[in-house]
Amino acid sequence: NAGVMQNPRHLVRRRGQEARLRCSPVKGHSHVYWYRQLPEEGLKFMVYLQKENIIDESGMPKERFSAEFPKEGPSILRIQQVVRGDSAAYFCASSQRQVANYGYTFGSGTRLTVV
Amino acid sequence: QKEVEQDPGPLSVPEGAIVSLNCTYSNSAFQYFMWYRQYSRKGPELLMYTYSSGNKEDGRFTAQVDKSSKYISLFIRDSQPSDSATYLCAMREETSGSRLTFGEGTQLTVNP
Repeated sequence: NAGVMQNPRHLVRRRGQEARLRCSPVKGHSHVYWYRQLPEEGLKFMVYLQKENIIDESGMPKERFSAEFPKEGPSILRIQQVVRGDSAAYFCASSQRQVANYGYTFGSGTRLTVV
Repeated sequence: QKEVEQDPGPLSVPEGAIVSLNCTYSNSAFQYFMWYRQYSRKGPELLMYTYSSGNKEDGRFTAQVDKSSKYISLFIRDSQPSDSATYLCAMREETSGSRLTFGEGTQLTVNP
């Protein structure tokens, strides 16, 4: 069974461009979470989605960031007009149930570099 | 003040040593406690999971939670070079849905 698949693994964008990060959850998992890991910092929650619904976006910056998890296809984290401070590792995780008492399964991340 | 404090290390020990990793937290509503291991350039993987206070053992790993002190620990016995990684503690409230709050991680190196 494939785990959580994230692509691309590495993404380089110039300031002002758009970044699109993709996440395919574990087969059968309908709950997706995005976290960001800045250099020398722990993971910070960004958003929690179910199919076609945003459940909790309390960790998302108010501007330039958006996320979706359509009925078909991967979850997408979109960052518009990227700035240097957006450079980080972005991790996606998935779970089978809403309340993942056992923790999530994480992907290997997308490392975004803004130049 | 951060909700979860974790000494970032780095921590370097000889092979076979007992390793103690710790986190403190300020939010008394945290009920679920986890330890993740993250190898370089990889995603975190769940090592241990504990609900409320108490101890849990799994092979060479023991997780302890002391809610009265707001303190959790992970012990690694007979440490191996393959244990070299960053260890992240994570916590969740009963009512916060699935949102985890992480410590910043402790970088561990086990030297052969």
